[in-house]
Amino acid sequence: GAVVSQHPSWVICKSGTSVKIECRSLDFQATTMFWYRQFPKQSLMLMATSNEGSKATYEQGVEKDKFLINHASLTLSTLTVTSAHPEDSSFYICSARVGSQPQHFGDGTRLSIL
Amino acid sequence: QKEVEQNSGPLSVPEGAIASLNCTYSDRGSQSFFWYRQYSGKSPELIMFIYSNGDKEDGRFTAQLNKASQYVSLLIRDSQPSDSATYLCAVNRGGNEKLTFGTGTRLTIIP
Repeated sequence: GAVVSQHPSWVICKSGTSVKIECRSLDFQATTMFWYRQFPKQSLMLMATSNEGSKATYEQGVEKDKFLINHASLTLSTLTVTSAHPEDSSFYICSARVGSQPQHFGDGTRLSIL
Repeated sequence: QKEVEQNSGPLSVPEGAIASLNCTYSDRGSQSFFWYRQYSGKSPELIMFIYSNGDKEDGRFTAQLNKASQYVSLLIRDSQPSDSATYLCAVNRGGNEKLTFGTGTRLTIIP
């Protein structure tokens, strides 16, 4: 149980492109989803917390207009990196949780901006 | 002072021995404690969680919590080469609070 699917697993695109990443909870309804970013040899950095049907809560320093989060249902959240630039290249990971249960992570999306 | 501190390692342990991973936290209001394993290039995978003082065992893994000392540890018995990974400690205040992660300890099991 507690499977979280993330798609795509790998994206390579040109600078200025917008990229959408999907996060789905496959066998449970996630009341909360989280989006993290991880640079090489660093720990996870929380970008935002997303609750179904409401606006995402962004961490300090994360540009909400650049990283658009939509949580339209209890099983789907999307992160759109708008006008991506090389400095946005990173490993993006979502996680999902039911109530106060532990978070379960998707497999991550490796984003490379040329 | 970091909110969640871990020794970054690398920690090298012979195969078959016990690996001991430690984590301290600064927020005395923390109620929930988690250990995640992350292989290189992969996303974190939940290994254990513990809410009460004392030990919690699951197979070869034992989580130990001491709230008075603000300390949580993970023991891995009969270490296998497949246990080689980075182990992340995470805490929160319980309920639906967000997790605060440590920077992780890189563990290497030597065959």
